[in-house]
Amino acid sequence: ETGVTQTPRHLVMGMTNKKSLKCEQHLGHNAMYWYKQSAKKPLELMFVYNFKEQTENNSVPSRFSPECPNSSHLFLHLHTLQPEDSALYLCASSQVGQGTNTGELFFGEGSRLTVL
Amino acid sequence: AQSVTQPDIHITVSEGASLELRCNYSYGATPYLFWYVQSPGQGLQLLLKYFSGDTLVQGIKGFEAEFKRSQSSFNLRKPSVHWSDAAEYFCAVGDYEGGADGLTFGKGTHLIIQP
Repeated sequence: ETGVTQTPRHLVMGMTNKKSLKCEQHLGHNAMYWYKQSAKKPLELMFVYNFKEQTENNSVPSRFSPECPNSSHLFLHLHTLQPEDSALYLCASSQVGQGTNTGELFFGEGSRLTVL
Repeated sequence: AQSVTQPDIHITVSEGASLELRCNYSYGATPYLFWYVQSPGQGLQLLLKYFSGDTLVQGIKGFEAEFKRSQSSFNLRKPSVHWSDAAEYFCAVGDYEGGADGLTFGKGTHLIIQP
């Protein structure tokens, strides 16, 4: 496989469920990101991992819990979500570092989450 | 803090007509600028990017964009649109000094193509 792969593509869960979104990048990048895309709002950066270390958490509620076990995999653990958390969750990766940073993000196709 | 404004929420263009999508950014230094396209149910695909040098950049699918520092703009253009260009278009700005900061996106412009 190439690029950035996200699973599942669609997820429906109740407010008491626990589920996880998975992202895998096959590009050899060293940084990974979670973005939230809601209707009529700009893409919201949620979390950034650089060399497996979380470098940014944009005031995301604790019901969202990221995990980055290595530079190729990124998870978003979900628990006790609210209906307003329904959105498209996009994973992206990039190569960062002095002299190597092109700035470009490579996106997966997203996981469409519906919270009932 | 950096920000991006895409003033047009929807744009309708006839097939074969020219297109210009507007983007204005706010950033203190020279920005890294991007245009992405998103088809329904898909992720974002990079159309083109500007880092430095020539202010007119060429991208995929016949798109181009021009960086105008004096106007803080990075408008996307295409001389003749095709029905397959119907999609959501996002302008984004980045701040890079070797770190992973992600990109800041505009709200997007929804492009509708009339036959």
